[in-house]
Amino acid sequence: DAGVIQSPRHEVTEMGQEVTLRCKPISGHNSLFWYRQTMMRGLELLIYFNNNVPIDDSGMPEDRFSAKMPNASFSTLKIQPSEPRDSAVYFCASTNTQRERFGELFFGEGSRLTVL
Amino acid sequence: KNQVEQSPQSLIILEGKNCTLQCNYTVSPFSNLRWYKQDTGRGPVSLTIMTFSENTKSNGRYTATLDADTKQSSLHITASQLSDSASYICVVSFMDTGRRALTFGSGTRLQVQP
Repeated sequence: DAGVIQSPRHEVTEMGQEVTLRCKPISGHNSLFWYRQTMMRGLELLIYFNNNVPIDDSGMPEDRFSAKMPNASFSTLKIQPSEPRDSAVYFCASTNTQRERFGELFFGEGSRLTVL
Repeated sequence: KNQVEQSPQSLIILEGKNCTLQCNYTVSPFSNLRWYKQDTGRGPVSLTIMTFSENTKSNGRYTATLDADTKQSSLHITASQLSDSASYICVVSFMDTGRRALTFGSGTRLQVQP
């Protein structure tokens, strides 16, 4: 059974460039989360989708960040334009809020972003 | 404010020794508490979950405790192994305006040395 799949695993880009991170949640899961992890701030929730609808995007740092979930099996997180302070590991996680009463999150392996 | 604090920030122990990691929270209303293990370069993986009515739960060499009165949880690792080297993250679930929300601790980085 495939877990949460993220791509790319590593991305190095220059300031000002557009970055798109991709996520395929576990089949059957109805909720998807994007997190950012840094040494200084730990794991921070960026945005949360339920049934493909954004429920809480209060963690999105600013207008440079946007996320979409066009269908139940795919989501993207886009940063445009990217800045060095965006360097972090971005995790996607999914769960089934109906089946998982206690809400275990299943994380992908993360996308490590470095903005020069 | 809903917060989760973990201690220590980092810990180094010798293989075979025991250790205890702490998690204090001010989250309310409390729903449940999970401990996640995050290996370097990987995503977090759930180790155990504690609900309000549970005091102790074991998962192999890992034993979690919960004191809902003092809002404290601990994760005890017995007979540590090199593979236990990882970050351990405490995550507390609570209800926020009718939906479940999560608050993450900053983690304890454990290093087990041979």
